[in-house]
Amino acid sequence: GEDVEQSLFLSVREGDSSVINCTYTDSSSTYLYWYKQEPGAGLQLLTYIFSNMDMKQDQRLTVLLNKKDKHLSLRIADTQTGDSAIYFCAESSLGFKTIFGAGTRLFVKA
Amino acid sequence: EPEVTQTPSHQVTQMGQEVILRCVPISNHLYFYWYRQILGQKVEFLVSFYNNEISEKSEIFDDQFSVERPDGSNFTLKIRSTKLEDSAMYFCASSQQQGGEAFFGQGTRLTVV
Repeated sequence: GEDVEQSLFLSVREGDSSVINCTYTDSSSTYLYWYKQEPGAGLQLLTYIFSNMDMKQDQRLTVLLNKKDKHLSLRIADTQTGDSAIYFCAESSLGFKTIFGAGTRLFVKA
Repeated sequence: EPEVTQTPSHQVTQMGQEVILRCVPISNHLYFYWYRQILGQKVEFLVSFYNNEISEKSEIFDDQFSVERPDGSNFTLKIRSTKLEDSAMYFCASSQQQGGEAFFGQGTRLTVV
């Protein structure tokens, strides 16, 4: 079945770039998403990319997609303490459901 | 900016009781979803709903669960007889098109005691 894998933890210093990686198995994925979840809060859609794109940039966020390797990454430039959260990679195909990874917990050290 | 709203934000219920979680999807969206997240675990798909019927459901969505769109704006998830293991954050989501960008609500934290 479909699966999304991500590393569980990432620790960076304030001001550095963060790169969160994700792999997925569903070759028919149409949309690939990054969601942010702060403690006790809901899911905030940060950005998404269509499967026919290689890259998408949105202010401090850069999403890179390698469709051949089924690899997605999220780069956060100039990481701030307010970026500390859990980041979920997710994908959906032409089906109805979105499949989520387990989430990467980003720690930003001041 | 339009958003998905869920009520209540936190619900505590006794084991065996029925609960109804409520959601108001974005008004021009046609596809509606429920997901849950047990504390510290993955966000898991429960059910999708389109054209007034369930379009897909997961193994988790057994006979204890039901969904309804009772009017033009609300989308509800009912758990008939809650169990301790139903304690989780429940997220409602909606999208304009099939498999398209899904917008999530802030979630309802359900605690079964």
